[in-house]
Amino acid sequence: GAGVSQSPSNKVTEKGKDVELRCDPISGHTALYWYRQSLGQGLEFLIYFQGNSAPDKSGLPSDRFSAERTGGSVSTLTIQRTQQEDSAVYLCASSSPGQAYEQYFGPGTRLTVT
Amino acid sequence: AQSVTQPDIHITVSEGASLELRCNYSYGATPYLFWYVQSPGQGLQLLLKYFSGDTLVQGIKGFEAEFKRSQSSFNLRKPSVHWSDAAEYFCAVGEVHNTDKLIFGTGTRLQVFP
Repeated sequence: GAGVSQSPSNKVTEKGKDVELRCDPISGHTALYWYRQSLGQGLEFLIYFQGNSAPDKSGLPSDRFSAERTGGSVSTLTIQRTQQEDSAVYLCASSSPGQAYEQYFGPGTRLTVT
Repeated sequence: AQSVTQPDIHITVSEGASLELRCNYSYGATPYLFWYVQSPGQGLQLLLKYFSGDTLVQGIKGFEAEFKRSQSSFNLRKPSVHWSDAAEYFCAVGEVHNTDKLIFGTGTRLQVFP
């Protein structure tokens, strides 16, 4: 079956521009997570969705970062006024009801801010 | 706060040799523990997980890990490494709250020589 997909796979943007990163979770997965993987760092939690609600946004690094999820499916992570320190791989994961912690990860979007 | 430490940034082994990757965690209660593998250009794949019960858990690709509460450790092992095991390995702890988010270590990069 189809796994978690993310688009674009690579994004190069100029400092100060806004970017949108998309995540399509596995069908039927109600939980969705965004993580960030910076060079030399581990994975850093950004935000968690249960359905369309985001009960945990504690990992968003600044108010330039926002995310939404519609129809309990697709999620978009938006970064406004990008900075060079935003350069990273952004990973999305999803999990199904009753299978807590069985998170399935997408291939990620590599964001480069020049 | 919960945290995960992977003390080895980079490990090199010969093909056929045994492998042990170290992971220590800090968590107030019984943790949910995971090992993920990330091959170049790939998303994260779950190798194995520990929730409760038998402290020695078996995973995919011939990997196993042992939970040692007294040492706050969850080391990953493989008796004989294959060249295809070259990748980055991440240990993670799951927060037992309503978010189920994962806290990751910084990873260990495994290099395998023929």
